[in-house]
Amino acid sequence: KAGVTQTPRYLIKTRGQQVTLSCSPISGHRSVSWYQQTPGQGLQFLFEYFSETQRNKGNFPGRFSGRQFSNSRSEMNVSTLELGDSALYLCASSLAGKGPYNEQFFGPGTRLTVL
Amino acid sequence: GESVGLHLPTLSVQEGDNSIINCAYSNSASDYFIWYKQESGKGPQFIIDIRSNMDKRQGQRVTVLLNKTVKHLSLQIAATQPGDSAVYFCAEIATNQAGTALIFGKGTTLSVSS
Repeated sequence: KAGVTQTPRYLIKTRGQQVTLSCSPISGHRSVSWYQQTPGQGLQFLFEYFSETQRNKGNFPGRFSGRQFSNSRSEMNVSTLELGDSALYLCASSLAGKGPYNEQFFGPGTRLTVL
Repeated sequence: GESVGLHLPTLSVQEGDNSIINCAYSNSASDYFIWYKQESGKGPQFIIDIRSNMDKRQGQRVTVLLNKTVKHLSLQIAATQPGDSAVYFCAEIATNQAGTALIFGKGTTLSVSS
C-alpha cells in the first residue's frame, strides 16, 4: 500500500507570495492532519480535515488555511508569506474510525523556504 | 527528591549500549502517548504507544515507561544500533469535542557510533 505522498518536496517563495501544498493520504484514510516543523518551535499542529470538513484547528493565524476533497486528498494554503513561515510542512493521514486515537501516518513533508 | 529525568536535546551512545530518552508532557488529562522516530528527510514514524492506565509497555528492543505523577515519559532502546540514529519525539493526544491532535514534545537527536 502506498504511503502518504506530499508535493512538492521543496519550494522556494518570496515574502508576500502565497503557496499551496498538496497531500495524498493512504488509500482508505479519511482524516488528514497538517503540522508545521521548525527548529525553534518543533512540531506544531495546524489543522485536521475529515470528510471535506475542518474538524480541528491549532493556534495559527488565518493566513494558514486548508481544504479536503471528496477523494480525501488535501491541500493547505499559506497567503502573504513571511520569513517565519519557512518550515517543513508535514501531512499525516489516519483511518479516523471510532475510538480516542487512530494511528497517524506521516508523509515526507514539503520543505518551504521563504526569502 | 525524585529524579524526573532531564530532557536532553542530543544523546550520543556507542553501538550495543542501551539508550534512554526522556520527555515531559504538559497535560495531566492526556490519556494516550506515542513515541515517534524521525530520520533525516523523512516524516515521523510511529515506534510505540502507551495508554495512561499503564506504566510500562514493551516492543521489539524498545520499552516505554510512563510516570503520571511527574508527567514524564521515557523511551528505552536496547542494544542501540547505527540505524537507530534519528530524532525521537514523544507526543500526547489532545482531545476536544472537535477531534484529536498530536502535541509533540521537544525532540532528542540520538547519535549512535560504531
